Amino acid sequence: KNQVEQSPQSLIILEGKNCTLQCNYTVSPFSNLRWYKQDTGRGPVSLTIMTFSENTKSNGRYTATLDADTKQSSLHITASQLSDSASYICVVSVLAYNTNAGKSTFGDGTTLTVKP
Amino acid sequence: EAQVTQNPRYLITVTGKKLTVTCSQNMNHEYMSWYRQDPGLGLRQIYYSMNVEVTDKGDVPEGYKVSRKEKRNFPLILESPSPNQTSLYFCASSFQGLHTEAFFGQGTRLTVV
Repeated sequence: KNQVEQSPQSLIILEGKNCTLQCNYTVSPFSNLRWYKQDTGRGPVSLTIMTFSENTKSNGRYTATLDADTKQSSLHITASQLSDSASYICVVSVLAYNTNAGKSTFGDGTTLTVKP
Repeated sequence: EAQVTQNPRYLITVTGKKLTVTCSQNMNHEYMSWYRQDPGLGLRQIYYSMNVEVTDKGDVPEGYKVSRKEKRNFPLILESPSPNQTSLYFCASSFQGLHTEAFFGQGTRLTVV
């Protein structure tokens, strides 16, 4: 069964500090991996998308890495700000020609709280 | 402005009363999808559509129907809502589905009593 596991479940850091969130997956055949940021009560917003051949992608202070061999990804947040407080969701999708074309598997998310 | 619009934002209904949650996107995206989000369970895909007249089940399709008669709209239909369908629902669209950025609607909070 395709699964996406995120850790830690929640994290509290001080403003200005860095942090790293983890995502391990068993989804196969792999198409792409996306990280989303979801503020409370709002829809998720895409941060990064990575395909099999990409191992690093940045979006401002957010840097995602992907190791397709070990099926692991991480999201690194640099110099955290209060506005980074949100849930961060890892999503892995299957290849288009698979019978499950169009399916995505979501992790449960990591809730990040940035304190002043 | 590029956006995905869901309506209504909030809905309280009674068990068994058919309802429809609308979703519309103005980006000419081919791929659209519905998700529900429950505490401790994350986002789960209900149905998705790769293009007009092409729909398929996600991970939790029971109790839901969808249709895709035109590219911009992808309504979610609950023929006979039950209390276990109380949840926060999100519609999303993307240009070609799996390889491109997904845009989410603002969410519909549904309560079935």
